[in-house]
Amino acid sequence: DIQMTQSPSSVSASVGDRVTITCRASQGISNWLAWYQQKPGKAPKVLIYAASNLQSGVPSRFSGSGSGTDFTLTISSLQPEDFATYYCQQANSFPLTFGGGTKVEIK
Amino acid sequence: QVQLQQSGPGLVKPSQTLSLTCAISGDSVSSNRATWNWIRQSPSRGLEWLGRTYYRSKWYHDYAVSLKSRISITPDTSKNQFSLQLKDVTPDDTAVYFCARDSSGWNFDYWGQGTLVTVSS
Repeated sequence: DIQMTQSPSSVSASVGDRVTITCRASQGISNWLAWYQQKPGKAPKVLIYAASNLQSGVPSRFSGSGSGTDFTLTISSLQPEDFATYYCQQANSFPLTFGGGTKVEIK
Repeated sequence: QVQLQQSGPGLVKPSQTLSLTCAISGDSVSSNRATWNWIRQSPSRGLEWLGRTYYRSKWYHDYAVSLKSRISITPDTSKNQFSLQLKDVTPDDTAVYFCARDSSGWNFDYWGQGTLVTVSS
């Protein structure tokens, strides 16, 4: 199975801050990567697919980059509604696997 | 607009079978471009993909290897829904279970509301 490792596991930030979350795959996955946002009690919501493509309806302050084994999700200017947990997910091979999550908390 | 509505019991006894259903609106379980998935989430396992069913001129199924002997995902075209059955459950199967659609091969774009299933006597 491909292991997905996210860092950091949590980050404290203020509104307006730039936040960067990284995801590393245990083997190359090309650009078969998606990023999700999850709020308490809700299902995950896709933000980014194919490593860098913004899902329809997602604000442009979210961006993704990377290829191969190393990927990044960036929130350019954190908004109050962005405090949540973020997950990466590889779609390169089965079983599909997720990272352990990064919780973005209010500083 | 696609909606997935989950139903099923929230409490299952050890060794029994967990059964959940996901009713689809706004799409078809027989779609030639979507797959229909089950995913669970627990503090100990995180987000874990369990398996999927999809139709490409015939029905296909893929399952997580760790669950292959216990899991079954079946479509019901008459009701436009799909179901999860997980046999011989243990407390380790306690989790929030989600159904989800993948219409691109890249990601899960629509999710059910989630069902907390507790395995306990």
